[in-house]
Amino acid sequence: QQQVKQSPQSLIVQKGGISIINCAYENTAFDYFPWYQQFPGKGPALLIAIRPDVSEKKEGRFTISFNKSAKQFSLHIMDSQPGDSATYFCAASGVVRGSTLGRLYFGRGTQLTVWP
Amino acid sequence: EAQVTQNPRYLITVTGKKLTVTCSQNMNHEYMSWYRQDPGLGLRQIYYSMNVEVTDKGDVPEGYKVSRKEKRNFPLILESPSPNQTSLYFCASSYTNSPLHFGNGTRLTVT
Repeated sequence: QQQVKQSPQSLIVQKGGISIINCAYENTAFDYFPWYQQFPGKGPALLIAIRPDVSEKKEGRFTISFNKSAKQFSLHIMDSQPGDSATYFCAASGVVRGSTLGRLYFGRGTQLTVWP
Repeated sequence: EAQVTQNPRYLITVTGKKLTVTCSQNMNHEYMSWYRQDPGLGLRQIYYSMNVEVTDKGDVPEGYKVSRKEKRNFPLILESPSPNQTSLYFCASSYTNSPLHFGNGTRLTVT
């Protein structure tokens, strides 16, 4: 069962535009929601993260919006740049039924291309 | 420099020939994990380890083994590789309840 659902699978945005990637989850025990950014030939790296006690977190051009009641969160990239072209993964962490340990569950990824 | 080091970066092998992918971290992290990345499927966890001698299965453990004899090392073992294990593999580590640090990946092809 997929714990975190991510969309779209791919996204093409013009330079200067806004990129929006959405994720949804079901398990209300999740308490940590990071986004990872991956460039070709590299491993994913933490970009920004949020906990469910806040509805928004902003770091530079990157913003996470979090809707606890809808169990959805999204990444917004303002003024998108060609250097932002990468694969983005959302994730959620918490204890899933049947497990005694908190684990990190990843969405399937979004390949973002920003055209100059 | 703080890092997670995987070796080799690229590996081509034949069905049934045992192989080991090494992973080492220099950050004294308790938690280590292996993922495989496949197009359209994202990152799927194979095995993880909470500390030395403490390992557990992730979501796709079949065909893989791991060991954690030292805190810094977490090798991934494929005793009898098959073509469906052709994938991009990542090792990651962290302190408990902290962000994961990933290695740069091992691209494995099994023919």
